[in-house]
Amino acid sequence: NAGVTQTPKFRILKIGQSMTLQCAQDMNHNYMYWYRQDPGMGLKLIYYSVGAGITDKGEVPNGYNVSRSTTEDFPLRLELAAPSQTSVYFCASSLTRWGTDTQYFGPGTRLTVL
Amino acid sequence: QKEVEQNSGPLSVPEGAIASLNCTYSDRGSQSFFWYRQYSGKSPELIMSIYSNGDKEDGRFTAQLNKASQYVSLLIRDSQPSDSATYLCAVVLNNDMRFGAGTRLTVKP
Repeated sequence: NAGVTQTPKFRILKIGQSMTLQCAQDMNHNYMYWYRQDPGMGLKLIYYSVGAGITDKGEVPNGYNVSRSTTEDFPLRLELAAPSQTSVYFCASSLTRWGTDTQYFGPGTRLTVL
Repeated sequence: QKEVEQNSGPLSVPEGAIASLNCTYSDRGSQSFFWYRQYSGKSPELIMSIYSNGDKEDGRFTAQLNKASQYVSLLIRDSQPSDSATYLCAVVLNNDMRFGAGTRLTVKP
């Protein structure tokens, strides 16, 4: 099993550009999550999904969009990049929602917006 | 008050010593508590979970929870240089997870 994979590993965007961060898992997990981690800070939840076709906002959803068309994939879309979105983005998955099961994290995408 | 608070550190201990990491949380209704370890430039990995008051031991790690004091701690016995990392405390309330900013631990040989 590859676990949770994320692409790209690094990306530099100009203000106003758009991009999609890819996330995939091969563990047949229902739950998937997107977090951002700013330097010296903990993780903040952006969006999560409880299954294909079902997504919901987390703590910091503004400026992002998600979709979940399959169990395996959970892409995160940035429409108009801003410097405040410079961060490391982690995707995670779990069989059940946190509190009862381990979350498995991907390796992260380091995004810089200039 | 922050929802989940940790001392940012750095906390430095000699090899073989006990490292004690602390976390306080603001909401008395919090239900589940986790400790994640994050090496520099890597993703977090779960090392302990605890749900009820008292101690929970797993190898060299012990998690302690005191809901009345809204306090959860992680003890690492016989600390090794490989334990040097940032430790994140996470708390679940009403199906929502909140992370602390983390404590950076350095274990010196």
